[in-house]
Amino acid sequence: AQSVTQLGSHVSVSEGALVLLRCNYSSSVPPYLFWYVQYPNQGLQLLLKYTSAATLVKGINGFEAEFKKSETSFHLTKPSAHMSDAAEYFCAAGSQGNLIFGKGTKLSVKP
Amino acid sequence: DADVTQTPRNRITKTGKRIMLECSQTKGHDRMYWYRQDPGLGLRLIYYSFDVKDINKGEISDGYSVSRQAQAKFSLSLESAIPNQTALYFCATRDRGQETQYFGPGTRLLVL
Repeated sequence: AQSVTQLGSHVSVSEGALVLLRCNYSSSVPPYLFWYVQYPNQGLQLLLKYTSAATLVKGINGFEAEFKKSETSFHLTKPSAHMSDAAEYFCAAGSQGNLIFGKGTKLSVKP
Repeated sequence: DADVTQTPRNRITKTGKRIMLECSQTKGHDRMYWYRQDPGLGLRLIYYSFDVKDINKGEISDGYSVSRQAQAKFSLSLESAIPNQTALYFCATRDRGQETQYFGPGTRLLVL
């Protein structure tokens, strides 16, 4: 069965620093992969998605993710963190029409 | 206006009470989903529906039931609420042939 692992339940960075949120999936067949963001007291918003068209995927708010089949990874990055990036981030894999979510990573941004 | 709406947004109820959470969408999608979110556990699938006559159990369906009243409406019921059903509940929709799911704003449920 498909599973998604997010390393680190909490990540803290300084404003202006690199953001790196890690996600690994378990499947011999590359699935569809997604990153969603949840701001406090809000629903989930799609950040970006991988659908096999390109391994480097650009999303909203300056985020991007790189699909690496050899590492079964889909890590999320942003070159320079802003205070407004503080939120919880979820990696998800599409499997047979459904989504399997990781447990989430809370990103804190220090001034 | 929001494409996926959920009512109520917040609800407090007591153990043993029946409660219904409602989801409506204007996106015209045929697939609809119910998830619950618990701190540290991510989102877990409760039920999903591919059309009005197609209802499927998800990972954690025990204690829940659903009704797909129309293509645009998908309700989640807790027949006899218990405290460990306290959680944030999300509805989501997906278009046939597409993989992306679109989420509602969530319903925060507290069972005392």
